[in-house]
Amino acid sequence: QKEVEQNSGPLSVPEGAIASLNCTYSDRGSQSFFWYRQYSGKSPELIMFIYSNGDKEDGRFTAQLNKASQYVSLLIRDSQPSDSATYLCAVYKNTDKLIFGTGTRLQVFP
Amino acid sequence: GAVVSQHPSRVICKSGTSVKIECRSLDFQATTMFWYRQFPKQSLMLMATSNEGSKATYEQGVEKDKFLINHASLTLSTLTVTSAHPEDSSFYICSATLRGTDEQFFGPGTRLTVL
Repeated sequence: QKEVEQNSGPLSVPEGAIASLNCTYSDRGSQSFFWYRQYSGKSPELIMFIYSNGDKEDGRFTAQLNKASQYVSLLIRDSQPSDSATYLCAVYKNTDKLIFGTGTRLQVFP
Repeated sequence: GAVVSQHPSRVICKSGTSVKIECRSLDFQATTMFWYRQFPKQSLMLMATSNEGSKATYEQGVEKDKFLINHASLTLSTLTVTSAHPEDSSFYICSATLRGTDEQFFGPGTRLTVL
């Protein structure tokens, strides 16, 4: 079992819709969770992080964490074509290193 | 804030040569820097964790004698790919942790092509 799992996609949504990106992790001891966006040929950029169960909102983005289910998600409201990218879920273990999922490719079509 | 730079952004070299990549935290001090490698259509793979003033910690399967890491100051870490071969061609990305947080900020990456 991979430590951090994501559906590779592509996830295709129409412009203006909500994109829902999901991630599961295997280590119950994981403490902090991150979502990065990576455009093709570029390095990742941090979108959001979440530490506590529940929802965390920042603009059009909402991160959701459920530690009991070992599940973290990212919702993108009012999706725009410029949101088309690969979204990487990353989990911090006790060893102080980020473990990345393989990413979900999101395509927002006009 | 929290800007990380890398130099060079792109390098093409002949097989057998060594290439040095610099990673700098521009507006903060980074006690820990990380080096990743990413092959096309794959996720980031952590190569090593670099702490200022101490030896880097390499991930399993990463040759420490081939990928030399030096973290000389709180704002600079270097990765030297020694005796590069075509299979070392990849996108190398560094990141730095903001002191007191878990947040990692990534440099723009260096695309290495070994002919």
